[in-house]
Amino acid sequence: DQQVKQNSPSLSVQEGRISILNCDYTNSMFDYFLWYKKYPAEGPTFLISISSIKDKNEDGRFTVFLNKSAKHLSLHIVPSQPGDSAVYFCAAILMDSNYQLIWGAGTKLIIKP
Amino acid sequence: DSGVTQTPKHLITATGQRVTLRCSPRSGDLSVYWYQQSLDQGLQFLIQYYNGEERAKGNILERFSAQQFPDLHSELNLSSLELGDSALYFCASSVEVGTSGYNEQFFGPGTRLTVL
Repeated sequence: DQQVKQNSPSLSVQEGRISILNCDYTNSMFDYFLWYKKYPAEGPTFLISISSIKDKNEDGRFTVFLNKSAKHLSLHIVPSQPGDSAVYFCAAILMDSNYQLIWGAGTKLIIKP
Repeated sequence: DSGVTQTPKHLITATGQRVTLRCSPRSGDLSVYWYQQSLDQGLQFLIQYYNGEERAKGNILERFSAQQFPDLHSELNLSSLELGDSALYFCASSVEVGTSGYNEQFFGPGTRLTVL
């Protein structure tokens, strides 16, 4: 049972435009949602998070939006830069389950020059 | 550099064999997590250790086992290997509970296991 889903395996965006990565979840009890970024041959690195009691969190070019009624979150990157080309993973945490991360399958973002 | 180290980087072995993957967490981190990432899949949580004790178990096969040593490094043992065990294996470490209310996990570069 996939509790966290990223339905787009890949996304191609022009440099300078907005990249929007989407994530859906099924468990309304998740406490936090995180986005990780992964380059080839490296481990994932933490990007940005949002608590389930918030609907938006912003950090520089990165903004995460949470729509609890739709069980949907999105990561916006503005403006997109070539270095943003990577695989982006959405993950969710249930604090009652020892803070285990439950991961989506990832979306490969390609920024075109 | 996350501060988490994993060895070896690549491992090629045959079906039926046994391998050991090693992880050294960031200095000061007591929790170690192991994940498996198969082709085009998300990361599957395998197991977590905290200060030498098993804390949580995920989708870990009985053929797999792990331990965390007194110096906090951890090893993941995979035995009776099958073709389907070919994957990237990541180790992550964290403090028990960060100030942000959740434990940010810092990942190592992974070990790529190929079973032929």
